Amino acid sequence: ETGVTQTPRHLVMGMTNKKSLKCEQHLGHNAMYWYKQSAKKPLELMFVYNFKEQTENNSVPSRFSPECPNSSHLFLHLHTLQPEDSALYLCASSQDNGWSYEQYFGPGTRLTVT
Amino acid sequence: EDQVTQSPEALRLQEGESSSLNCSYTVSGLRGLFWYRQDPGKGPEFLFTLYSAGEEKEKERLKATLTKKESFLHITAPKPEDSATYLCAVQAANTGNQFYFGTGTSLTVIP
Repeated sequence: ETGVTQTPRHLVMGMTNKKSLKCEQHLGHNAMYWYKQSAKKPLELMFVYNFKEQTENNSVPSRFSPECPNSSHLFLHLHTLQPEDSALYLCASSQDNGWSYEQYFGPGTRLTVT
Repeated sequence: EDQVTQSPEALRLQEGESSSLNCSYTVSGLRGLFWYRQDPGKGPEFLFTLYSAGEEKEKERLKATLTKKESFLHITAPKPEDSATYLCAVQAANTGNQFYFGTGTSLTVIP
């Protein structure tokens, strides 16, 4: 089991609902990430936070809204999603030393939009 | 454009039958190449980081190698519990924290 936890593990929501995904890392890292994983596609980076500051936003639709209150917690707020947003959403963390460090992933939230 | 291609897409091996998975990459300055294992319904589990051509890393039945254009994940005498999807990712010198992932190789080891 990794030091990155995610809740809920499964989520079914309608297109008009508002929900949030939560991620917590217990590794003392300073960078956190949201990824989307769809079948037969590479992991897609959505957002990156370094020291609580958002440093990457890979053209993600505004119906996805990230929040990083501190270096251990990361949220993904969801509203008015589309069926094509159904996927596995993964959170990861790393220790960013300015060069290269491996990312550690949580178990993911399986999201189904009906 | 930075790219990562993994092959084969799927691989079936008999228990004990050694083989290799390939990860080809094109990036502008490699910071690191990473191998992950992912079991169904779970997040990727970190295996190895390789930084420069000629580097090798080993863990149990797995050995990762790196050249200037590709990396191999060698699996020696695999067991059924090695069945999983193996993902390769690269981090480029000019793209900060961003990892570029391949689509993975789904490995099935038959008893």
